[in-house]
Amino acid sequence: GQSLEQPSEVTAVEGAIVQINCTYQTSGFYGLSWYQQHDGGAPTFLSYNALDGLEETGRFSSFLSRSDSYGYLLLQELQMKDSASYFCAVSGSGNTPLVFGKGTRLSVIA
Amino acid sequence: NAGVMQNPRHLVRRRGQEARLRCSPMKGHSHVYWYRQLPEEGLKFMVYLQKENIIDESGMPKERFSAEFPKEGPSILRIQQVVRGDSAAYFCASSPSIQDEQYFGPGTRLTVT
Repeated sequence: GQSLEQPSEVTAVEGAIVQINCTYQTSGFYGLSWYQQHDGGAPTFLSYNALDGLEETGRFSSFLSRSDSYGYLLLQELQMKDSASYFCAVSGSGNTPLVFGKGTRLSVIA
Repeated sequence: NAGVMQNPRHLVRRRGQEARLRCSPMKGHSHVYWYRQLPEEGLKFMVYLQKENIIDESGMPKERFSAEFPKEGPSILRIQQVVRGDSAAYFCASSPSIQDEQYFGPGTRLTVT
């Protein structure tokens, strides 16, 4: 089976940088995804890593280390609108759907 | 290109009634996934379907729950004889293939009274 661990809550100051970690245990591994969800809203896709290294998309970057079964989401120049829940998700093989972590609730404060 | 559509957005049912949740995937997407989310919790996978086939239903309770994705029309998640514990947000997602990112619908918030 698969399991994921991520912090339940993180608080950071507007304009700062925050890193949300995710460790996983899977019987097979295909890729690590990150999703953002605002209160009352639907999850939206942020990034995907299948290979080791850093993927950058604007203010958001995602990192993966397959050997460590670890990844993180990095948010730079935090804005108040970044306050949301962030979920990491893994696919254990090419034919299995995503398994989501329980989410990290990010609060951005002034 | 319209996104994933779900209806109804809110559904109230009394205990023992049936709930039918509909999901129309994005155009060109043949893979549909249903998730359940309880307040303050993550998304829990329920079922994965392709047109006319259930591929993985390992996350769906064996009793009272069923899902279909017919050749024509939306995917349906059906909950029979609802109980209070079924109250949750149910999200549908679609993707063009299993390896692609999933696009989520706005969800159906089911309340069982």
